[in-house]
Amino acid sequence: EDQVTQSPEALRLQEGESSSLNCSYTVSGLRGLFWYRQDPGKGPEFLFTLYSAGEEKEKERLKATLTKKESFLHITAPKPEDSATYLCAVQRAAGNKLTFGGGTRVLVKP
Amino acid sequence: GAGVSQSPSNKVTEKGKDVELRCDPISGHTALYWYRQRLGQGLEFLIYFQGNSAPDKSGLPSDRFSAERTGESVSTLTIQRTQQEDSAVYLCASSLEGTGKMGKLFFGSGTQLSVL
Repeated sequence: EDQVTQSPEALRLQEGESSSLNCSYTVSGLRGLFWYRQDPGKGPEFLFTLYSAGEEKEKERLKATLTKKESFLHITAPKPEDSATYLCAVQRAAGNKLTFGGGTRVLVKP
Repeated sequence: GAGVSQSPSNKVTEKGKDVELRCDPISGHTALYWYRQRLGQGLEFLIYFQGNSAPDKSGLPSDRFSAERTGESVSTLTIQRTQQEDSAVYLCASSLEGTGKMGKLFFGSGTQLSVL
């Protein structure tokens, strides 16, 4: 069974304090690893897809990286508007569903 | 166009009653997913529809849960004889299939279900 574990569960940062979120996964044949952002009361919003180890994707202050066992979401010089829950998910090569981790709640204080 | 629309946004029901949740996907999206999110937790897969193919029902937690989709349009998730443990946010998502769009799901804002 596919498993996704995210750490830490919660992260409090000062504005401008860079940090990284971890997503460890086990999946039988990875088709893709995905990062989503979720704001309170809303559905998740797609950020990145990573397909193979060594791949990196960037968007504004966010950078996602992938190895064979884990992915990192780096937040550089965060701003209060980066406060959200960040969700990691995997999809296996022979499947349709995305398996999500429990998420990391990020709070950026001004 | 409009995003994924879910209704109702909130539903309060009594234990033992049946409820029906509705999802309007983005026009042209062939794939549709239902997920459940309990308070403070990640998303739990329920069911997946793709065009006219047989749905993947592997995530439905019990036979009290069922879902339908007509073609590539509206989907309904029905929970019969609701229990308190069914209380959660039910999220619907749609996507285009195909390389480059894989895994890019567009989610609705969900239906918050509370079973008293």
